[in-house]
Amino acid sequence: SQQGEEDPQALSIQEGENATMNCSYKTSINNLQWYRQNSGRGLVHLILIRSNEREKHSGRLRVTLDTSKKSSSLLITASRAADTASYFCATGHISNTGNQFYFGTGTSLTVIP
Amino acid sequence: SQTIHQWPATLVQPVGSPLSLECTVEGTSNPNLYWYRQAAGRGLQLLFYSVGIGQISSEVPQNLSASRPQDRQFILSSKKLLLSDSGFYLCAWGPERGQEGTQYFGPGTRLTVL
Repeated sequence: SQQGEEDPQALSIQEGENATMNCSYKTSINNLQWYRQNSGRGLVHLILIRSNEREKHSGRLRVTLDTSKKSSSLLITASRAADTASYFCATGHISNTGNQFYFGTGTSLTVIP
Repeated sequence: SQTIHQWPATLVQPVGSPLSLECTVEGTSNPNLYWYRQAAGRGLQLLFYSVGIGQISSEVPQNLSASRPQDRQFILSSKKLLLSDSGFYLCAWGPERGQEGTQYFGPGTRLTVL
């Protein structure tokens, strides 16, 4: 299976703390993306990191990618109660026969006010 | 701007009944379109993707099928639903094949098969 895996499966932190989620995958990729999903809703794209990039920032988000270890991490700094959601990584595979994305199992983050 | 619509939002169907979920995209052309299923508390499973009208690729063998009758319309169907078909179905669009980019998801349809 090309599906990635996140860990931890669930994470509970106090508001203001940092949250770190990890993603591992098995095959070569063109990019890796992180998404957020509020309960019962669709997914919202957070950040994309290309296979030749090692780190990327967007606001309070920091994503790292280590293609040698086939792993990525998402760091949310200074967490807020509104960050409570499930977070998914997805590996992106670009081809002329069709771009494909394979999602991990997700990390459920709870930020306690 | 691009938007993606899915309906219905929720659906309760008996086992053995047919299914038709529709997804439409606005504000883009030649998108790659995707159907995913998400079981409760789980990740997304890619079911089908399409690179153009009438072009469907299936990722997982199952009793579901997909069709793309128009460039910006993607339909998920079943002739006879199973209990195991219950889940949250998400449609997404992404850039044309060969182009890098992200996916944009619809609001989803929650299907319960009884």
